[in-house]
Amino acid sequence: AQRVTQPEKLLSVFKGAPVELKCNYSYSGSPELFWYVQYSRQRLQLLLRHISRESIKGFTADLNKGETSFHLKKPFAQEEDSAMYYCASFLYNTDKLIFGTGTRLQVFP
Amino acid sequence: EPEVTQTPSHQVTQMGQEVILRCVPISNHLYFYWYRQILGQKVEFLVSFYNNEISEKSEIFDDQFSVERPDGSNFTLKIRSTKLEDSAMYFCASRGAGELFFGEGSRLTVL
Repeated sequence: AQRVTQPEKLLSVFKGAPVELKCNYSYSGSPELFWYVQYSRQRLQLLLRHISRESIKGFTADLNKGETSFHLKKPFAQEEDSAMYYCASFLYNTDKLIFGTGTRLQVFP
Repeated sequence: EPEVTQTPSHQVTQMGQEVILRCVPISNHLYFYWYRQILGQKVEFLVSFYNNEISEKSEIFDDQFSVERPDGSNFTLKIRSTKLEDSAMYFCASRGAGELFFGEGSRLTVL
């Protein structure tokens, strides 16, 4: 079954600290992996996707097929990074994007 | 930048009433979705829609739910007889260039 696991519900760091939000997926096929962000009272927005290999707002994520992980990292957190972060997996053959439970990132000044 | 828009932003209804949530996807997108998020819980897939047909649906999407694209622009989610547990935020999305774009959501409160 297509499943995404985010083990941390809440991650609190101070400004300038490194951040790593964990994500593991389980599927034997080749899903496309995404990170979506939801700032307070705003819509879900795409942060990055594994096929583009871009860095957005200083965030990066590397797909590790051996560990079935797609952890999101940022070397120096900013207060404006405080938001809910959702890891998601998409399969074209089912046309379904499945979300993890989300991790709330709180960055303190 | 084009956006997915949803109406209403908030609807309060009595248990047993029918509710229609409306969405206007991005105009050149062909794939449409509904998701829901019960307060404090994860974002859950409900249904995907392409070429005027449901392409995939979850076990949540039972006979009480239906989707429709009544014209060239709207995409609607109907709940025939609402239950208390239908209270949630409902998100519409459309897909283009491999990315899902989400609306701001419609909050449904069932009393």
